[in-house]
Amino acid sequence: EAGVAQSPRYKIIEKRQSVAFWCNPISGHATLYWYQQILGQGPKLLIQFQNNGVVDDSQLPKDRFSAERLKGVDSTLKIQPAKLEDSAVYLCASSLVSGGAQTQYFGPGTRLLVL
Amino acid sequence: QQPVQSPQAVILREGEDAVINCSSSKALYSVHWYRQKHGEAPVFLMILLKGGEQKGHEKISASFNEKKQQSSLYLTASQLSYSGTYFCGTETHGSSNTGKLIFGQGTTLQVKP
Repeated sequence: EAGVAQSPRYKIIEKRQSVAFWCNPISGHATLYWYQQILGQGPKLLIQFQNNGVVDDSQLPKDRFSAERLKGVDSTLKIQPAKLEDSAVYLCASSLVSGGAQTQYFGPGTRLLVL
Repeated sequence: QQPVQSPQAVILREGEDAVINCSSSKALYSVHWYRQKHGEAPVFLMILLKGGEQKGHEKISASFNEKKQQSSLYLTASQLSYSGTYFCGTETHGSSNTGKLIFGQGTTLQVKP
């Protein structure tokens, strides 16, 4: 079974530029998550989708970040304009409910450096 | 309400044991454990759902004390491959089975030959 796919793997941009990340979840997984992981910290949830609807985006900086999940499968996360503090790894995860819990499986992440 | 992990870092020799703790100030529905190696994605280890439940994965096991809102991860007879950063992700009763996790700051484990 293929895992969560993400692209690009690395991105370097200058501040005030825009950037987009793409995620393809594990087939059949209805729930998709975007996390931001700053160096030395645990992943922080930015947004959670159930199919193509938003479940939780309370920690998404909506003035600069946006995300969509068209057709309930692939998802894109966009930053516009980027700030220096956005330098981080952006992880996508997907999950399936099994046995009363949702096990999340992570993709390899996109490492973003904002100069 | 980020869970607190302890210790922050631990260094072991191969074959030694270690315990990593995860504590929350909120009532927990579940605790999820992950291991992340440098530059890689977090890898799922196990989920604990009920108070006092223990699970195992190879020589790694965990317990969940629902009354204390604590979970502990036990690494027995550690191997070099156990090196990495361990994260607990907690799901509170208010978010039960929504999949919403709050991750701790991580515990870095280094196993030396």
